Amino acid sequence: DVKVTQSSRYLVKRTGEKVFLECVQDMDHENMFWYRQDPGLGLRLIYFSYDVKMKEKGDIPEGYSVSREKKERFSLILESASTNQTSMYLCASSSYGPLGSYEQYFGPGTRLTVT
Amino acid sequence: GEDVEQSLFLSVREGDSSVINCTYTDSSSTYLYWYKQEPGAGLQLLTYIFSNMDMKQDQRLTVLLNKKDKHLSLRIADTQTGDSAIYFCAESMGLTGGGNKLTFGTGTQLKVEL
Repeated sequence: DVKVTQSSRYLVKRTGEKVFLECVQDMDHENMFWYRQDPGLGLRLIYFSYDVKMKEKGDIPEGYSVSREKKERFSLILESASTNQTSMYLCASSSYGPLGSYEQYFGPGTRLTVT
Repeated sequence: GEDVEQSLFLSVREGDSSVINCTYTDSSSTYLYWYKQEPGAGLQLLTYIFSNMDMKQDQRLTVLLNKKDKHLSLRIADTQTGDSAIYFCAESMGLTGGGNKLTFGTGTQLKVEL
């Protein structure tokens, strides 16, 4: 079974702090993603990476950066946390399934509260 | 730009059928997906449909695709309390470096009442 793990389930940080969210996958997937999930807005893509040291901006990259030094690990960094970054953060990795379908596998999420 | 829309809430009685609807915008999407999110968990792939199909059945799940209207639906037969969750539809588009990016809808909260 594919496993995607995230370093914390719950995190509370203060405004202005630097925050690191870690994600690890164990299936040798090339592509990894960071989303945030907010009620009524669904999932919005922050950043993604299709190879080691490669990164691309998603739909809402402002206030975030990422790092992918190893294939299995993708980190999301909040340089200076703000209250509007309070959210659920979901990491995913992906591979092609049968018949060319594309499947993303998600971690359990990190609920971040910035006070 | 891409925009995938769903209604936010659906309430059904146990044993009834549930129908969750979705409209998407990218007519070039090769596959369309349904994901399920149970409370406190990440998303789990439920099923998907290839864009040249108009229906796919998988046990209690039936996916209908109307490509002309860009409308996707998920029907759950004999809905059970364990089906209570948020359901997301998603459309895919290719990435320059390979692989695909998914655009998700807002999610539909399904509540199953006894």
